[in-house]
Amino acid sequence: GEDVEQSLFLSVREGDSSVINCTYTDSSSTYLYWYKQEPGAGLQLLTYIFSNMDMKQDQRLTVLLNKKDKHLSLRIADTQTGDSAIYFCAESSSGGYQKVTFGIGTKLQVIP
Amino acid sequence: GAGVSQSPSNKVTEKGKDVELRCDPISGHTALYWYRQSLGQGLEFLIYFQGNSAPDKSGLPSDRFSAERTGGSVSTLTIQRTQQEDSAVYLCASSSDTNSRDYTFGSGTRLTVV
Repeated sequence: GEDVEQSLFLSVREGDSSVINCTYTDSSSTYLYWYKQEPGAGLQLLTYIFSNMDMKQDQRLTVLLNKKDKHLSLRIADTQTGDSAIYFCAESSSGGYQKVTFGIGTKLQVIP
Repeated sequence: GAGVSQSPSNKVTEKGKDVELRCDPISGHTALYWYRQSLGQGLEFLIYFQGNSAPDKSGLPSDRFSAERTGGSVSTLTIQRTQQEDSAVYLCASSSDTNSRDYTFGSGTRLTVV
């Protein structure tokens, strides 16, 4: 079955870059996602990447995909205190309906 | 509505009681999903609706859990004879179709069984 793994916690200083890593097992994954969850809120889609892409950049966010190693990363440049949240890696496969499978979430703490 | 609305936002119930959690998806979204978020467990898929039918209910943890959707809109997740291990945040998401990247989550219902 599908499995998505990510580390539980990351602490960075304000202004530094943050890199959150994720590995997945489903080789048929079509889309890979990063979601952000702020305290008391639902999950908000930050960005996603199609499996035939290596990289996607969106303002301060850079997503890198190594499909061979099934490794996904999210880099946040110039990390701000407002970036403190839980970041979820997720994947879905094509065919049928796209059930999204989530990792456990990485809690990012930004130190002022 | 403008977003996915869930109610109640918080629910405390006694062990053994039944609870109903409600999800009001974005208007026009045909697909609806329930997830459970437990401490240290990530998001656990429970059930998926397309319209009023549930093609995938493989994530429901036991027969105490059931869900329905009426009119292709509001969905209710019912937990009978609640147990302490049912304590979690129950999240609902909806999307405009089954192959869509516009998955939108509600803020969740925090269920505490005492």
